Amino acid sequence: AQRVTQPEKLLSVFKGAPVELKCNYSYSGSPELFWYVQYSRQRLQLLLRHISRESIKGFTADLNKGETSFHLKKPFAQEEDSAMYYCALSFNQAGTALIFGKGTTLSVSS
Amino acid sequence: DTGVSQDPRHKITKRGQNVTFRCDPISEHNRLYWYRQTLGQGPEFLTYFQNEAQLEKSRLLSDRFSAERPKGSFSTLEIQRTEQGDSAMYLCASSLLITGGDNEQFFGPGTRLTVL
Repeated sequence: AQRVTQPEKLLSVFKGAPVELKCNYSYSGSPELFWYVQYSRQRLQLLLRHISRESIKGFTADLNKGETSFHLKKPFAQEEDSAMYYCALSFNQAGTALIFGKGTTLSVSS
Repeated sequence: DTGVSQDPRHKITKRGQNVTFRCDPISEHNRLYWYRQTLGQGPEFLTYFQNEAQLEKSRLLSDRFSAERPKGSFSTLEIQRTEQGDSAMYLCASSLLITGGDNEQFFGPGTRLTVL
């Protein structure tokens, strides 16, 4: 069955420290992978997707098909990065449903 | 606000009652999705529409749940004979599916259902 695993419920770092939020998936085909973010009292929003290969707010994520991973990284965390982060998978680009992981809370303190 | 809107934002009901939620997607978005999120979990897919056609339903969507999108614009999600296990946040999302487009799903604020 298709599944997205985020092994950490909470990740606490100090401002300026590197951040890596882990995401592993299981899917036999070629999925599309996403990271969504939810800041306090805001709605869920797309942070980045693997096909665009962009850096958004200093975050990057590389799809590793061999390890079936899509970890989210940022070299220097900022306090405003504190939020809930969800990794999600879609079967293809044709707009099918998203399968989400359970989420990781990132807490950045000064 | 031109984003996805949902109504009501909060709903408290007694077990056994019926409830209906409404979602207004971003204008001209042809796809509309419903998800459910319980505490400590990520959103779980329930169903989605392309225009007025319901294309897929999750096994999570029991026969007490029904969703409609009659004119291809707003959508309603009804839960009949609510149970305490239905307590959750119900999220709606919409997207514009076009060839070569990115089909990004935009989420609404959610409706929080509490079944007593």
